Amino acid sequence: AQSVTQLGSHVSVSEGALVLLRCNYSSSVPPYLFWYVQYPNQGLQLLLKYTTGATLVKGINGFEAEFKKSETSFHLTKPSAHMSDAAEYFCAVTDTGRRALTFGSGTRLQVQP
Amino acid sequence: SQTIHQWPATLVQPVGSPLSLECTVEGTSNPNLYWYRQAAGRGLQLLFYSVGIGQISSEVPQNLSASRPQDRQFILSSKKLLLSDSGFYLCAWSSSTGGNSPLHFGNGTRLTVT
Repeated sequence: AQSVTQLGSHVSVSEGALVLLRCNYSSSVPPYLFWYVQYPNQGLQLLLKYTTGATLVKGINGFEAEFKKSETSFHLTKPSAHMSDAAEYFCAVTDTGRRALTFGSGTRLQVQP
Repeated sequence: SQTIHQWPATLVQPVGSPLSLECTVEGTSNPNLYWYRQAAGRGLQLLFYSVGIGQISSEVPQNLSASRPQDRQFILSSKKLLLSDSGFYLCAWSSSTGGNSPLHFGNGTRLTVT
């Protein structure tokens, strides 16, 4: 069975500060990993994904994530937060045997001016 | 390009009333289709997914049902709504070519059962 744990339901950073959103997964087979962003009352938008190959994945809006198999982690980072980054972020996992994603419970990012 | 349409955007329904939410996808063929529910302050729960017309898999037992009458149409229904059915319902599609295909989401329907 797959599962995703996002540490910290709320994260607050200052504008210009580093953003770090944590995601750990559990999977019995090599995983495919995703990060999504959700703005209020909207659907989810794909930020980035890891399938195979390079473990450092770059996404939209300056975000990136690194797949670390030894730590079963896929943390999301951005060097400098913008006010427009305030949203809820979801980590998700799947594998070749499943068709649907399993999502974490989400982390709400607040950016202070 | 592919687009996904979901409606209505908001809905307020009394307990015991029926429900029908519709989702359509354009610009792709034979997509995998999904219904997720997002309760307040919680993550996304997979309700149903479909890999083809008339093929529905239910992930959790509940008061809801889903149907796929056409290749790019996915409908979420209930005969009698419960208060616990309130939430934000999201339709999504993915390519049927493999597990590494990302999901593409609609804008959601916020359902309030009163």
